[in-house]
Amino acid sequence: DTEVTQTPKHLVMGMTNKKSLKCEQHMGHRAMYWYKQKAKKPPELMFVYSYEKLSINESVPSRFSPECPNSSLLNLHLHALQPEDSALYLCASSQEAGTRELGDEQFFGPGTRLTVL
Amino acid sequence: ILNVEQSPQSLHVQEGDSTNFTCSFPSSNFYALHWYRWETAKSPEALFVMTLNGDEKKKGRISATLNTKEGYSYLYIKGSQPEDSATYLCASYGSGNTGKLIFGQGTTLQVKP
Repeated sequence: DTEVTQTPKHLVMGMTNKKSLKCEQHMGHRAMYWYKQKAKKPPELMFVYSYEKLSINESVPSRFSPECPNSSLLNLHLHALQPEDSALYLCASSQEAGTRELGDEQFFGPGTRLTVL
Repeated sequence: ILNVEQSPQSLHVQEGDSTNFTCSFPSSNFYALHWYRWETAKSPEALFVMTLNGDEKKKGRISATLNTKEGYSYLYIKGSQPEDSATYLCASYGSGNTGKLIFGQGTTLQVKP
């Protein structure tokens, strides 16, 4: 199974809502990532988990809260978002611990399209 | 700050044409260069991971070259087909020993039948 799955595919939420994005992989990968992609822009890294521990937080606002319950799952909890947070949120995983030494490829999910009203 | 640049931004070709596009990146402190293909409504798909200067990789009709000394990589598609229509992204690593990939803005290829 070389697939990264993400749910939901689409999410519409109000600024006072609390919601969660989910990501799952069963490839035994030890690094997992959240990216944000706005229209016509490249994906931008938000968080990296390495061996289930947060290793990179790219100065993401606290209204985004990542969680890695186990090595196969990655969540992104959303609370009090702003309309400008509307974007495609991509999850990815890679075999090793999220370092560049091995340059290993990242496997991406199809993303969750988030709209904040 | 690492800048990864891609050109052109978009490309329209006829079926059967061969095409190529460019990714440029800072040559200092280079580790690896990734190429991805991203079709609409699908997951970005890894094409190549290139690490050595002079590297050339091939997957079917798609090939890529790497020049780490001058900081560029070319992606070639021979005999483009409509199913090659996608956005092609390249990415290189940021500073520090982390897995932070910095992506270029992509080249969107449209192949007309």
